Amino acid sequence: GEDVEQSLFLSVREGDSSVINCTYTDSSSTYLYWYKQEPGAGLQLLTYIFSNMDMKQDQRLTVLLNKKDKHLSLRIADTQTGDSAIYFCADENSGGGADGLTFGKGTHLIIQP
Amino acid sequence: DAGVTQSPTHLIKTRGQQVTLRCSPKSGHDTVSWYQQALGQGPQFIFQYYEEEERQRGNFPDRFSGHQFPNYSSELNVNALLLGDSALYLCASSMDSYGYTFGSGTRLTVV
Repeated sequence: GEDVEQSLFLSVREGDSSVINCTYTDSSSTYLYWYKQEPGAGLQLLTYIFSNMDMKQDQRLTVLLNKKDKHLSLRIADTQTGDSAIYFCADENSGGGADGLTFGKGTHLIIQP
Repeated sequence: DAGVTQSPTHLIKTRGQQVTLRCSPKSGHDTVSWYQQALGQGPQFIFQYYEEEERQRGNFPDRFSGHQFPNYSSELNVNALLLGDSALYLCASSMDSYGYTFGSGTRLTVV
C-alpha cells in the first residue's frame, strides 16, 4: 500500500532555517500537504502543493517537490520558538482523495535557544 | 467563521461499550472524513462521507461506522470498544475532496 516516510526528530537553533523531509511511494499523488500539530491540538494546514508544481513559497514556508524521486520538503525560514511542533507530510492520491490522506508519522521540530 | 467543531473533547469508556463522536464541518464544506491518531503516530484514514453516503473506507473493522446528516454534520460510532481503540479521533471537512480542515479532535480513552 501507500507509504509516507519522515524522520522523527529535527533540532535547529532559533533563527536558523529548518528543513523537514518526506518521501512517499504513491506515484499517482495529486496533492501533497504539510500539517502542523501542537501538543493536545488538532492538525493545522500549513501549505500544500499540486503534483505538477516543483516549488511553492508562502511567507516563511517553502515547499519543494521532486516528483521523480517522490521527495517533498518543507523549509521554514527564521525558525522561532512558536514553530516547535510535530509536522506531518500527507499525500492525496489521484482518486480525488476518496481514499483519504496518507500521513507520515510526523517530524518533531525542536528549537534550541 | 467557525472551523470544524468536534464533541466531546475527551471521553473515557469501558471495554465492550459503544461510543458516538460528533463533528460539525466548516461552513461551506460538504464532505467529512474521520481519522484515528494513536499516540506517537500519524493519523489513519477511517472513512469519508459525502452526500450522506460512505464514499470510501480505510482499513478499519465494521465496528467502526458512521453517518452524515443533511446539514453535513457527521457521527462516528465505535462498537465493542477495545483497549487499542484509545486514540485521538480527528474529523476533517472539505469541499468535495480538496482543502481539508481538521478539528481539534476527541481524545478517547478505553479502560
